[in-house]
Amino acid sequence: ILNVEQSPQSLHVQEGDSTNFTCSFPSSNFYALHWYRWETAKSPEALFVMTLNGDEKKKGRISATLNTKEGYSYLYIKGSQPEDSATYLCAFNAGGTSYGKLTFGQGTILTVHP
Amino acid sequence: SQTIHQWPATLVQPVGSPLSLECTVEGTSNPNLYWYRQAAGRGLQLLFYSVGIGQISSEVPQNLSASRPQDRQFILSSKKLLLSDSGFYLCAWRWGRGLKGYTFGSGTRLTVV
Repeated sequence: ILNVEQSPQSLHVQEGDSTNFTCSFPSSNFYALHWYRWETAKSPEALFVMTLNGDEKKKGRISATLNTKEGYSYLYIKGSQPEDSATYLCAFNAGGTSYGKLTFGQGTILTVHP
Repeated sequence: SQTIHQWPATLVQPVGSPLSLECTVEGTSNPNLYWYRQAAGRGLQLLFYSVGIGQISSEVPQNLSASRPQDRQFILSSKKLLLSDSGFYLCAWRWGRGLKGYTFGSGTRLTVV
């Protein structure tokens, strides 16, 4: 059983604060690490797919880094806005014949207060 | 562009009744298809995946089954629902190759009473 863990479980910040959360995953048989944003009453939306150790991806005020050797990824949000409130999921894609199956963490619930 | 449709959005079913949830994808061919469930207080758990028509792989033993009668149609079924089948069910697709993320359907909230 693959273990993908996210921390913290939930986070409350004020508008304008910057924040970050962690995803830890197996450091062996790595193929890719995904980040998704899941807003209430919507479908999860893909943010990033990361594959290379040391990779950094950015989308607006959101960025992510990847360390495959030690098995962790960070997601950063700069200057949080209320519309950033959502559950942020990371998911591990193992190598080999995994057929694109993802093992998800339990998510970090972010609430941004105006 | 590709779209994914999932229905119904909500369902309340009695214990012992059958279940059929449907998912269809448009605008692509030969997608990999997946059924995930989020039970209360838990993360998304992969239930089934399919890499082609009639090809179904089950990830966890359970009271559910899946079928893929057509290339872009994925159905989740049960003959007799249990209380423990309650949860939020998500269908997703992605191309078999490449590094794009999943595209998810809008989900079905199933409550077994």
